[in-house]
Amino acid sequence: EMKLVESGGGLVQPGGSLRLSCAASGFIFSSHFMAWVRQAPGKGLEWLANIKQDGSEQFYSGAVRGRFTISRDNAENALFLQMNSLRAEDTALYYCVRVTTAYGGLDFWGQGTLVTVSS
Amino acid sequence: EIVLTQSPLSLPVTPGEPASISCKSSQSVLHTNGLNYLDWLLHKPGQSPQVLIYLGSNRASGVPDRFSGTGSGTDFTLKISRVEAEDVGVYYCMQSLQWYTFGQGTKLEIQ
Repeated sequence: EMKLVESGGGLVQPGGSLRLSCAASGFIFSSHFMAWVRQAPGKGLEWLANIKQDGSEQFYSGAVRGRFTISRDNAENALFLQMNSLRAEDTALYYCVRVTTAYGGLDFWGQGTLVTVSS
Repeated sequence: EIVLTQSPLSLPVTPGEPASISCKSSQSVLHTNGLNYLDWLLHKPGQSPQVLIYLGSNRASGVPDRFSGTGSGTDFTLKISRVEAEDVGVYYCMQSLQWYTFGQGTKLEIQ
């Protein structure tokens, strides 16, 4: 059974940092691009970042480029999102998502971890 | 950025009746390979989003055949032939031609 389990969310003050993790199982993690997507309260889905299978390339949306860093550890089947300089507008449910090898779509989603940025 | 516009945003449906959701793209999502890079997702309450339809018209594994996707280029439609209670949730269209963007979501509820 495929699983993506996010962790690391919580309450953080504006300007602070947080590192999210995602534990993958049930598929060959190292064969897939991976992504982070978020959903702010009452808002729609927003793609944040992708990372190549071997971690050699990362791609970011304009909203988080320069503040967030996506990384992975294929030996541990783990995906990470380092979030710095957090703002109130970064408050959201953060999803770890698998990218299909067939055409690049987002084909399997975790349950999400909630990040709240507030003083 | 490719902008996806869904309608309606709220969809009350009687069980057994059909339902339809439209997704219009600001640019064509038709790839040079002839495939439309447009998927439909369902986000059920308390669950993670799941793919229903990929590449415009292909049902994902395990998705009931009452769900179908049509369209090409900039205009797409998700149809449910006979809505069931388990279909409640928020439906999103998503394009993956130029990174990823999503429609605003359509909330389907049972009347």
